[in-house]
Amino acid sequence: ILNVEQSPQSLHVQEGDSTNFTCSFPSSNFYALHWYRWETAKSPEALFVMTLNGDEKKKGRISATLNTKEGYSYLYIKGSQPEDSATYLCAPTDSWGKLQFGAGTQVVVTP
Amino acid sequence: SAVISQKPSRDICQRGTSLTIQCQVDSQVTMMFWYRQQPGQSLTLIATANQGSEATYESGFVIDKFPISRPNLTFSTLTVSNMSPEDSSIYLCSVAQSYNEQFFGPGTRLTVL
Repeated sequence: ILNVEQSPQSLHVQEGDSTNFTCSFPSSNFYALHWYRWETAKSPEALFVMTLNGDEKKKGRISATLNTKEGYSYLYIKGSQPEDSATYLCAPTDSWGKLQFGAGTQVVVTP
Repeated sequence: SAVISQKPSRDICQRGTSLTIQCQVDSQVTMMFWYRQQPGQSLTLIATANQGSEATYESGFVIDKFPISRPNLTFSTLTVSNMSPEDSSIYLCSVAQSYNEQFFGPGTRLTVL
């Protein structure tokens, strides 16, 4: 079982501001890292799958970086909008391929 | 990506009863999984639903409590048996063709009184 920590647990962002938060995980036996966005009453939505150290992925105003040697990933939201309000989950997988989710970072963007 | 539906979307149940949750996918998929999220906790994998054979359960989960069926490549059910308030959670099914990407259903919000 992988010990996955996400911080902060929650954050409030003013519309238009940029923000970022962290996912940390054991660097040994790493296979891939998944990021999901989960809005209330909806399905978790896959954002990124990252595998290589130094990987950077971008989807619109959201981007993520990966450091497999030190075991962390950052997710950035540029120019936050109210529709970005959601819980962001990270989930590394080990060689068995199973997702091990962190508790998530809840983002609230206020107009 | 696959389109996944779950029934029911929510339910309120009495202690000691059982609830069966259905997961339907619009295409054949290799892997189907069941997760739950208890209040304030992480999404936790319950089991992998195997087509035509018994599900593979994660540590801490047993077949008697969470029997799972998967009669074909597009459908699975999870039953929460002999429920207690601690079973109040969101239950989600997910599907994948490989371990690179999983797609989730909308979830079933269960409250046990």
